[in-house]
Amino acid sequence: GENVEQHPSTLSVQEGDSAVIKCTYSDSASNYFPWYKQELGKGPQLIIDIRSNVGEKKDQRIAVTLNKTAKHFSLHITETQPEDSAVYFCAASDSNYQLIWGAGTKLIIKP
Amino acid sequence: EAGVAQSPRYKIIEKRQSVAFWCNPISGHATLYWYQQILGQGPKLLIQFQNNGVVDDSQLPKDRFSAERLKGVDSTLKIQPAKLEDSAVYLCASSLASGAYEQYFGPGTRLTVT
Repeated sequence: GENVEQHPSTLSVQEGDSAVIKCTYSDSASNYFPWYKQELGKGPQLIIDIRSNVGEKKDQRIAVTLNKTAKHFSLHITETQPEDSAVYFCAASDSNYQLIWGAGTKLIIKP
Repeated sequence: EAGVAQSPRYKIIEKRQSVAFWCNPISGHATLYWYQQILGQGPKLLIQFQNNGVVDDSQLPKDRFSAERLKGVDSTLKIQPAKLEDSAVYLCASSLASGAYEQYFGPGTRLTVT
């Protein structure tokens, strides 16, 4: 079955700098890759997603890139702000449209 | 548009007691998911409903967990009897249909078993 690995587990960046979180997946049939942001005491919030027929997608300060050959995808956050501090999860869909989740990355924005 | 609603937000019980969680999905969403999220981990799928039928419950510990979705809208998840290792956040999510990828989550119920 699908397996998703996420790195790093913790990322600390200076406010205004960029942050990059990386995920790899094992099932070449996976075709949907969302990123979720989870703040303390809240449920995961979908922030951006990408499908396998697209290599890159951008939404303001957030972008996701996908390399299907290498089976990895990344989240890029530019001009980081204090409100970006949260835990970020990547996921990949299996053939049943179910999401297989990474272990999460705690992003800390230092003022 | 109202999001996914869950209650209660917090629950503390002793081991061997029972507990129930309630979820109301986004209006019009046919698919409903229950996840268990242990501290420091990603969500783990427990059960998936399509309308009021079960699509997948392969990871639901059926000796103690049960779930239902009557009338294809609201859903309840029950644990009886609870164990210490059931301490976690229980998340409910919904999506428009089984073939729709985007899942939207409620705030979760934090369960502590003592």
